[in-house]
Amino acid sequence: AQSVTQLDSHVSVSEGTPVLLRCNYSSSYSPSLFWYVQHPNKGLQLLLKYTSAATLVKGINGFEAEFKKSETSFHLTKPSAHMSDAAEYFCVVSDLNNDMRFGAGTRLTVKP
Amino acid sequence: NAGVTQTPKFQVLKTGQSMTLQCAQDMNHEYMSWYRQDPGMGLRLIHYSVGAGITDQGEVPNGYNVSRSTTEDFPLRLLSAAPSQTSVYFCASSYSGTGSSGNTIYFGEGSWLTVV
Repeated sequence: AQSVTQLDSHVSVSEGTPVLLRCNYSSSYSPSLFWYVQHPNKGLQLLLKYTSAATLVKGINGFEAEFKKSETSFHLTKPSAHMSDAAEYFCVVSDLNNDMRFGAGTRLTVKP
Repeated sequence: NAGVTQTPKFQVLKTGQSMTLQCAQDMNHEYMSWYRQDPGMGLRLIHYSVGAGITDQGEVPNGYNVSRSTTEDFPLRLLSAAPSQTSVYFCASSYSGTGSSGNTIYFGEGSWLTVV
């Protein structure tokens, strides 16, 4: 079965500095990988997804992620953090039958 | 196009009570699912359905029942609520197909359930 490990439970950055949220995955098949964002008391919104096309995936709000098969990683980055980026971020892996497995989440704090 | 709609948004139950969380989608998605979200554990799959009349168990199915009589609706039933079921519940839907196709899953806004 597939699984996801988000390596940091909490990341704190200053506004205007880069963001790096780390995700490693395990899958027996060619996976699809997703990053979702959850703002307080809200549902989950898709940021971006990888589906075996280009390994560098661009998403909404300036986020991007790179699929590295050799490292089984799918880290999320953004060049410059904004206050509105403060939220919980989930890395998700999916292989057969849309059986999605979520990481435990990384809480991003953005300091002014 | 409302997407995925969940009700109620907030509910307090007493131990042993039963209730149903409603979920409806208007995107003609075949795949629907229920997750629970607990601190530090991400989202865990409770039950899912790949089409009307078909349901199956996820990671944490105990204490929950589901049915799928129509494509649009996928209610989650708690038959005898327990404090361990205090959680945030999310309904989700997507087009069917293998996960490798990368079908985006759309989530409802969540239902906050407290069992006292």
